[in-house]
Amino acid sequence: SQTIHQWPATLVQPVGSPLSLECTVEGTSNPNLYWYRQAAGRGLQLLFYSVGIGQISSEVPQNLSASRPQDRQFILSSKKLLLSDSGFYLCAWSLTRDTEAFFGQGTRLTVV
Amino acid sequence: GQNIDQPTEMTATEGAIVQINCTYQTSGFNGLFWYQQHAGEAPTFLSYNVLDGLEEKGRFSSFLSRSKGYSYLLLKELQMKDSASYLCAVNLDYKLSFGAGTTVTVRA
Repeated sequence: SQTIHQWPATLVQPVGSPLSLECTVEGTSNPNLYWYRQAAGRGLQLLFYSVGIGQISSEVPQNLSASRPQDRQFILSSKKLLLSDSGFYLCAWSLTRDTEAFFGQGTRLTVV
Repeated sequence: GQNIDQPTEMTATEGAIVQINCTYQTSGFNGLFWYQQHAGEAPTFLSYNVLDGLEEKGRFSSFLSRSKGYSYLLLKELQMKDSASYLCAVNLDYKLSFGAGTTVTVRA
């Protein structure tokens, strides 16, 4: 069966520091991968999605970036965090572009 | 995002039925999903509709009308553990966009 791992679970970072969140999927090949952010009390906002290695689409202009160095690895990064980057970050995968997405456990990021 | 609208909050009594409505723009539609999210946790997949009609999964059912851009999630025989946020998500042009969620509170 397929599983998705996302770490760390919680993170407190100072403003201006870099960020690297990692997500890996097991049990499937060539998944569609997604990064979402959920601000407190709000809906999920799609940040990036990838349909294959090295293929990244950005949905929202911001100081975050994403990379997919391997088929089942998706990384969310920032060179300098802002206070507004605080939130709940969720990685997800789906088998195809129009099937259900399954989420990792999420990373709660607090920028101080 | 993508004009996905659902009520903010609903309250119901244990054992009762609650219906959560969701409306969305119809252009580029490729399927509608419902997720459950408990506080502080990741969303978990509940149901999927791509054709008109009702899909039933135990106590949960989901309905879709593509021409009206409308769906609902029906929760029957409510239990205290059903207290959570319910997210309507629509695949538009092969991107999954979420509504803000409906917080359902089940009272004894």
